[in-house]
Amino acid sequence: DAGVIQSPRHEVTEMGQEVTLRCKPISGHDYLFWYRQTMMRGLELLIYFNNNVPIDDSGMPEDRFSAKMPNASFSTLKIQPSEPRDSAVYFCASSLRQGAGEQFFGPGTRLTVL
Amino acid sequence: KNEVEQSPQNLTAQEGEFITINCSYSVGISALHWLQQHPGGGIVSLFMLSSGKKKHGRLIATINIQEKHSSLHITASHPRDSAVYICAASGGSNYKLTFGKGTLLTVNP
Repeated sequence: DAGVIQSPRHEVTEMGQEVTLRCKPISGHDYLFWYRQTMMRGLELLIYFNNNVPIDDSGMPEDRFSAKMPNASFSTLKIQPSEPRDSAVYFCASSLRQGAGEQFFGPGTRLTVL
Repeated sequence: KNEVEQSPQNLTAQEGEFITINCSYSVGISALHWLQQHPGGGIVSLFMLSSGKKKHGRLIATINIQEKHSSLHITASHPRDSAVYICAASGGSNYKLTFGKGTLLTVNP
């Protein structure tokens, strides 16, 4: 398996622009997680899905952030409008319930908002 | 206050030294995870444990449920072990992780 795939790997945009980050989980995994990593706050959970359904979005910073999982093989995290403080590395991870929760992380998307 | 605390924040060692990184948590957990992140790199799961000890090569992870404490040990450290090591706790059946701030390990040749 190719592992968790994220795109783009790097994104540079200007404040106010819409940003869409994409994730393809490992085939067969039924949990998908979106994380954000910054120097100040470390890794934080933004939202996670189980069987394509959002279960907990309490980590989503504000209404500018939204996430969808239209099918088992694709998820998006959208920021609109983007702000400089959104600059971070965004990781997607997936896990299999039968695997007792071990998470497999994608390579991350480094987002810079100017 | 973060529910998962790691120490030390930074650790520098000479090649060959025995390394210990500590993790304390304040919440009930179903599993404790140790993750590794190389500079500019992705995150790799090293261990997931709920009791006792696990070993993989030169890496050993232990957990004491009563004391809410876990340790990651590296024997015969090597410069390629230089990375950030992150402790994370998951509770219940939702696998939601709460992370420590990480320990930056530098192993000099």
